[in-house]
Amino acid sequence: GQSLEQPSEVTAVEGAIVQINCTYQTSGFYGLSWYQQHDGGAPTFLSYNALDGLEETGRFSSFLSRSDSYGYLLLQELQMKDSASYFCAVRDHRQAGTALIFGKGTTLSVSS
Amino acid sequence: DAGVIQSPRHEVTEMGQEVTLRCKPISGHDYLFWYRQTMMRGLELLIYFNNNVPIDDSGMPEDRFSAKMPNASFSTLKIQPSEPRDSAVYFCASSLAPGPGTEAFFGQGTRLTVV
Repeated sequence: GQSLEQPSEVTAVEGAIVQINCTYQTSGFYGLSWYQQHDGGAPTFLSYNALDGLEETGRFSSFLSRSDSYGYLLLQELQMKDSASYFCAVRDHRQAGTALIFGKGTTLSVSS
Repeated sequence: DAGVIQSPRHEVTEMGQEVTLRCKPISGHDYLFWYRQTMMRGLELLIYFNNNVPIDDSGMPEDRFSAKMPNASFSTLKIQPSEPRDSAVYFCASSLAPGPGTEAFFGQGTRLTVV
């Protein structure tokens, strides 16, 4: 089977830096992704790591260590609009296809 | 492309009634996923299709749930009979075959309330 663990809640203030960790267990790992979901909205894609290392996209960066089955999302220069839920997700390759499995999400609250 | 389109956006139904949720994926996408989201359980994968073929339905809660994808541009998720515990937001998502940078695109979801 597969499982993903991430903290349920994180709080921070505007301008700060936040790191959301994710550990995963899967039999057919095919990459770690991060999604953002605002209240009442749909999840939207933020980043994807297939190989070890850091991927940077503007204020957001994502890191992967396949040997540790671990990744994180780093959010810099936090803004109020970053208040949302953040999900890590793995593409889990199976015999006939590749599932996309999500963690339970981390609710980020940014205050002024 | 208009993105993934789900209908209806909201559905309120009485216990015991049949509910059908609809999804139109992005043209050209190989994969279609159905998810259920609740506060307690997060985003649960119910079933997914690859090139219109159901690959894994182990996430479907019970036999009351069924899903079909008769062609590349349409999928349905049916609940019969519906129960109050089925109340949740149901998302459909589609993607290309997995690879570097492949992302899943989600529809706006169907908020289902069973009373």
